Amino acid sequence: GAGVSQSPSNKVTEKGKDVELRCDPISGHTALYWYRQSLGQGLEFLIYFQGNSAPDKSGLPSDRFSAERTGGSVSTLTIQRTQQEDSAVYLCASSPRGGGLTITEAFFGQGTRLTVV
Amino acid sequence: TQLLEQSPQFLSIQEGENLTVYCNSSSVFSSLQWYRQEPGEGPVLLVTVVTGGEVKKLKRLTFQFGDARKDSSLHITAAQTGDTGLYLCAGGRGKIIFGKGTRLHILP
Repeated sequence: GAGVSQSPSNKVTEKGKDVELRCDPISGHTALYWYRQSLGQGLEFLIYFQGNSAPDKSGLPSDRFSAERTGGSVSTLTIQRTQQEDSAVYLCASSPRGGGLTITEAFFGQGTRLTVV
Repeated sequence: TQLLEQSPQFLSIQEGENLTVYCNSSSVFSSLQWYRQEPGEGPVLLVTVVTGGEVKKLKRLTFQFGDARKDSSLHITAAQTGDTGLYLCAGGRGKIIFGKGTRLHILP
């Protein structure tokens, strides 16, 4: 596809269950970012990948959150034992490159809306 | 820790008016970006400013990067209802951090 694709678009889960959110970045983009956006709020940084490595995972809220990227492409964000406060829109973005002095354009997917009931 | 603070948090004005929103930090950024986000969509890049004192224009939108590269402003001339949305500034090295945004509502 031409853009960043996220799946599922919506996810309703019961408290305590694990969820996996998927991000397919734009082909050839080496940098990949995950953000969380609560209703009406800005973007909270979660983790950043350069290739398959995560130089910065400082934004992950707790050890219930983890992410991986394989083949320098697809990334999965996993939330274990979900809590109601995890309810938010999870946005993924990719960029042609990362780590330089000048930030490059981040292309965003439409997000996954997670609701924990 | 680099932080970006945006003001005002909310702004509601009549169509045709001018407005300015701000993005400030205590840290120096090598570049800053402005994005616009509409409901149900991801943010879309409007502009990247790189040089201190730089001014960039995008139709009715004027972006300025502060001389010290710690702040930026977005000025909209003769606002239109289509300008309604969440305006986010962003910066960083490696990871990209975002401010909390200014939610702009243009009234017809």
